[in-house]
Amino acid sequence: EAGVTQFPSHSVIEKGQTVTLRCDPISGHDNLYWYRRVMGKEIKFLLHFVKESKQDESGMPNNRFLAERTGGTYSTLKVQPAELEDSGVYFCASSPRPTYLDRGRETQYFGPGTRLLVL
Amino acid sequence: DAKTTQPTSMDCAEGRAANLPCNHSTISGNEYVYWYRQIHSQGPQYIIHGLKNNETNEMASLIITEDRKSSTLILPHATLRDTAVYYCIVRVGNTGNQFYFGTGTSLTVIP
Repeated sequence: EAGVTQFPSHSVIEKGQTVTLRCDPISGHDNLYWYRRVMGKEIKFLLHFVKESKQDESGMPNNRFLAERTGGTYSTLKVQPAELEDSGVYFCASSPRPTYLDRGRETQYFGPGTRLLVL
Repeated sequence: DAKTTQPTSMDCAEGRAANLPCNHSTISGNEYVYWYRQIHSQGPQYIIHGLKNNETNEMASLIITEDRKSSTLILPHATLRDTAVYYCIVRVGNTGNQFYFGTGTSLTVIP
């Protein structure tokens, strides 16, 4: 079974440019999450999709960040315009729809991350 | 924001058991404790999770205190490949799906 994949693995852009990160979750996983670690900080939650709907976007830092998951499969995270403080590693994770008995304990499977450097 | 407290770093001799502690004194009754690890340049890898009973799988054991305010991850026979940052996570959030990673423990397995 293929794991969570992310593209690109690395991106170097200049301040003010736009970057789009892509995440392909494990096939059949309804839940998709974005996290990021900026320099020297902890891994922080950004948002959570259930299929194509945003379930929780409380971690999105500002309106320069736009996440989409059209069709409920892969997701994109666009940063426009990018700022220096956006540099870091962006992780995507997915989990299956829980059964009633599993609710609250679904395991999230993480991708390898996209390393973004804004110059 | 972090709901957990872990030592910054630990060493363990190869072949010995690695015991990684975690405090989660504000955990609520329905919140699970998860352990993940991150090996350099990879994404976080799931290890184990539990609610209140001790758990064991092929990778590790999880011991949760009766009051659920702390837990210990045990790697029974540490190998050099277990060198990583280990995160103790309590899942919370509006839908119960946010992971708070905290700072983690950097475990170094020494030959």
